[in-house]
Amino acid sequence: AQTVTQSQPEMSVQEAETVTLSCTYDTSESDYYLFWYKQPPSRQMILVIRQEAYKQQNATENRFSVNFQKAAKSFSLKISDSQLGDAAMYFCAYRRTRSGGGADGLTFGKGTHLIIQP
Amino acid sequence: GAVVSQHPSWVICKSGTSVKIECRSLDFQATTMFWYRQFPKQSLMLMATSNEGSKATYEQGVEKDKFLINHASLTLSTLTVTSAHPEDSSFYICSARDLLEAFQETQYFGPGTRLLVL
Repeated sequence: AQTVTQSQPEMSVQEAETVTLSCTYDTSESDYYLFWYKQPPSRQMILVIRQEAYKQQNATENRFSVNFQKAAKSFSLKISDSQLGDAAMYFCAYRRTRSGGGADGLTFGKGTHLIIQP
Repeated sequence: GAVVSQHPSWVICKSGTSVKIECRSLDFQATTMFWYRQFPKQSLMLMATSNEGSKATYEQGVEKDKFLINHASLTLSTLTVTSAHPEDSSFYICSARDLLEAFQETQYFGPGTRLLVL
């Protein structure tokens, strides 16, 4: 079974600074997707960024970027120029790719609570 | 963007009663929807995969007779918690995969339903 590990229960960063959230995963699959989701106090899950395992290039979405190390099974999220609105729980998630179509649910890590200090 | 709604947003019920939670994709069609459960300050755990027109697939340890899932149309999946007990109290979240976005592999999440069983 796949597992996703987030070793940082809580992280704190000053506004406008950069912070990196860690995520490692374990899988025997060669093709899969990795995600970072944000869950603010409203508890609505919001997709932050997605990475396809077959792509060597790290995904980037504005202030959010990932460092995907496939061999090390590591998928960290870097948030640049942190803003107060970035404060939330951040979940790393894994989903395998099914051949022939179909879909699997996501396997989530335990989450990292990100605090932004003004 | 794709929107998923859930109804009700919160529900309180007496022990022994059944509760139905609806998950709707508002502006897209979804052959596959997923149900997750989230305990306070914990991660999301996949409960089951809901497939339009066929039986749901349940994760190991999830009682299918306890959590009845029906996916009667391309825009609606329902989760019924039967004979609810206090230990069923939790936050239930659904997600949906856009039929026309199969290769994007993004799941869109509903806002969640908070269930409290007294």
